[in-house]
Amino acid sequence: NAGVTQTPKFQVLKTGQSMTLQCAQDMNHNSMYWYRQDPGMGLRLIYYSASEGTTDKGEVPNGYNVSRLNKREFSLRLESAAPSQTSVYFCASRGLDSGDRAFFGQGTRLTVV
Amino acid sequence: AQSVTQLGSHVSVSEGALVLLRCNYSSSVPPYLFWYVQYPNQGLQLLLKYTTGATLVKGINGFEAEFKKSETSFHLTKPSAHMSDAAEYFCAVTRNAGGTSYGKLTFGQGTILTVHP
Repeated sequence: NAGVTQTPKFQVLKTGQSMTLQCAQDMNHNSMYWYRQDPGMGLRLIYYSASEGTTDKGEVPNGYNVSRLNKREFSLRLESAAPSQTSVYFCASRGLDSGDRAFFGQGTRLTVV
Repeated sequence: AQSVTQLGSHVSVSEGALVLLRCNYSSSVPPYLFWYVQYPNQGLQLLLKYTTGATLVKGINGFEAEFKKSETSFHLTKPSAHMSDAAEYFCAVTRNAGGTSYGKLTFGQGTILTVHP
């Protein structure tokens, strides 16, 4: 089972460039999440999608957009990258059959120079 | 609104000693609580969870946690630390949004556990 797959694993961007982080899950989960992880700050929620067709802001949505393309896929877009967006990004999904737990991808390490 | 506070960003113990990682939560409705572990350069893995029922929950690798509503706490313990327990630990809170979808899952700041020989 693949679980939650994130691409790419590593990315270096120049300030002002745009990019999309991809996330796909094969567990038929309704809910999906994007987090960023920074030292000493834990995981902070950027956006989440409680179910297909809905998206909501989390704690730190500024500078990001998301698309819940279908039940499997939830992408995160940086329209104009800034050095403050240098971070590790994690995608997660949850569903009834997961017993309320979240499954996480392996992360995307993004550096903005 | 919901939030999680983990007391102590770093905890250091000797191998064989008790591990205690502290977590306090805030939630306007009955919470679901989780502990996750993260090893270097990896994603998060579930250690244990509390949803309803027994307030003392046991997880993998000998860890357990007790939900104390009166103290709004969900501290993680392990009687005897092992070198392989060295990792970062995260407490998280959510609530049942009803139906088949879920709302926010909020994490604490994390606690890095170091185990000395």
